[in-house]
This record gives sequence, structure tokens and C-alpha cells, in this order.
Amino acid sequence: DTGVSQDPRHKITKRGQNVTFRCDPISEHNRLYWYRQTLGQGPEFLTYFQNEAQLEKSRLLSDRFSAERPKGSFSTLEIQRTEQGDSAMYLCASSLALGVMGTQYFGPGTRLLVL
Amino acid sequence: KQEVTQIPAALSVPEGENLVLNCSFTDSAIYNLQWFRQDPGKGLTSLLLIQSSQREQTSGRLNASLDKSSGRSTLYIAASQPGDSATYLCAVRSSGGSNYKLTFGKGTLLTVNP
Repeated sequence: DTGVSQDPRHKITKRGQNVTFRCDPISEHNRLYWYRQTLGQGPEFLTYFQNEAQLEKSRLLSDRFSAERPKGSFSTLEIQRTEQGDSAMYLCASSLALGVMGTQYFGPGTRLLVL
Repeated sequence: KQEVTQIPAALSVPEGENLVLNCSFTDSAIYNLQWFRQDPGKGLTSLLLIQSSQREQTSGRLNASLDKSSGRSTLYIAASQPGDSATYLCAVRSSGGSNYKLTFGKGTLLTVNP
């Protein structure tokens, strides 16, 4: 068990460019979550996958954002036509089960800076 | 809509002091509550998870309590050390419709001075 990993750890891009982040969950975890954290705030929920199915998207996730989880393994989060307001830490988490258990384990995050 | 508030926003203490961080939430229908630690520019490390049926959890120098009916949790840190300096986040998992996502507070920035 190597924990949740995210790549890249840091990304600097120019406004208008597209970026893609990757998250590899803990093996055997079938739930995967994306959160976004801006400076001085707590993380905010973006989207959730159960296996390969995307079950909910937050209203924070505009149509410039798309997330996938092919084959229920790793996930990608793509931001098209980036804006300066997209600058944030993007956190991925995974969990094994719902119900009263289902502790979410977080990765180290990808820090995005849009110039 | 669940809202989580953490008080104080920042706390500075001398090494060795015992301290309490506070978390309140507006909807008592929760599955569990987690306390996380976040070092600058880093991801989240889970410290303690309290199920809705539990009153407290302990791990080393950390003790977290939960009063679900009043919508409150506290994180007690005994004999604080400079290495405890970090932001501490409280998060609840509601038992309502969206029962998989965590709702976070803004965190308490703790500085322990040697």
C-alpha cells in the first residue's frame, strides 16, 4: 500500500492553456474523490467516482472541467482554457467503502498556478 | 447545507502547553467527523476519525471528542511540540443525500514556539 499519489505535484501554466492532472488511488479502493483548496480555505468537494462511474459533480465544476476514471483505476482531471481563478491545490482522495466506515485517504495534491 | 466552522483561526502557544481546537457543524446528521493535519503546501494527513456513535478517540497525545447533538467537536493536543505546528482541519461526512463527500472547515493554523 503506497498511498494515494498525484502527478504532477506542481504546475505553472499560462491563462488559456489546458492542463491535466492524474491521481492514482490506493489499490482496491473503489471510491475516488477530487477536492479543490484555495489559499486560506478548507478543501471543497468537486466530484466523486464509484468505480468508473462519475456519480456527482459539484456546481464548482464548470464546463471547462472534466474528470474521468477509465476502468475504475486512476483518474484524470482536465481543465480547459485555464483562468487565474483556477489557481489552487487540487486534492485527490480514495476510500474503500461507504456507510459508517469509508475513511478518505488524501494524496499530496497538485498545486496549480495560472499566470 | 452542512457548514463547518473552526475556532480559533490561528493559535500560537509556547512549547509544552496543552491546547484545544474547536470545530462546530450545523447539521447533526453525520456519519463521522475527521481531524486532519496539513503542513504548508502539502496534502492532508488524517489524525483521528470519530464515528457518529462514538464520543471520543485518542491517538498518542491527541484526543478528539464529539458531541453530535450540539454539533461540536474538540481536538485536544497534550504537551505541544514545535513539530505540531501545522494547519488542523476538521471535516464532517453527512448522512444525508450526498453522504460520501467531506465538508471541511477553514482550519486552525497552529504555531508552537520552542
